[in-house]
Amino acid sequence: GAVVSQHPSWVICKSGTSVKIECRSLDFQATTMFWYRQFPKQSLMLMATSNEGSKATYEQGVEKDKFLINHASLTLSTLTVTSAHPEDSSFYICSAPPWQVGNSNQPQHFGDGTRLSIL
Amino acid sequence: GESVGLHLPTLSVQEGDNSIINCAYSNSASDYFIWYKQESGKGPQFIIDIRSNMDKRQGQRVTVLLNKTVKHLSLQIAATQPGDSAVYFCAEMRGGADGLTFGKGTHLIIQP
Repeated sequence: GAVVSQHPSWVICKSGTSVKIECRSLDFQATTMFWYRQFPKQSLMLMATSNEGSKATYEQGVEKDKFLINHASLTLSTLTVTSAHPEDSSFYICSAPPWQVGNSNQPQHFGDGTRLSIL
Repeated sequence: GESVGLHLPTLSVQEGDNSIINCAYSNSASDYFIWYKQESGKGPQFIIDIRSNMDKRQGQRVTVLLNKTVKHLSLQIAATQPGDSAVYFCAEMRGGADGLTFGKGTHLIIQP
């Protein structure tokens, strides 16, 4: 249970393009999802908290106009990297905790990430 | 032995030996801690967790120890296997509906 799916797994695009990444909870509903970014050989850094029915909460230093988050439904959150540039190239990973099913002691489950490469 | 590289520390162990991976966490208010395993090109995979009201928890071949006095967490893997090769991260959570704060990670390499 508690499976999280992320799509696409790999994107290569030109500088200036906007890229949308989807995160889905497959067997549970998630009113909260989280987006992380990971540069090569580094740890995961929390970017933002995606909230169904309200605005996302961004961590300090993360540009909300650059990284648009839309929690469209109880099973889907999207991250759009707007006007992407080479420095935005990274591994983007989402997670969703199954708290919504009453399991407040359960850990967050992660998607398999999206490798974004901006040329 | 253990060494610190430019970004990720590396721990090299012989197959069949026990591995101990250490982590120092930052927030004394954190009350929930998780160890994740990450293989190349994939998302983190849950290994084991522990709450701040405990100091030890055991799973299958893994044990997590928590020392709140010095804000230290460790993961012990018994009888290390080749499939254990990965990067291991500790993560802490303040509680409630917060995101996770990850440690720097340790690259575990299994020598045949």
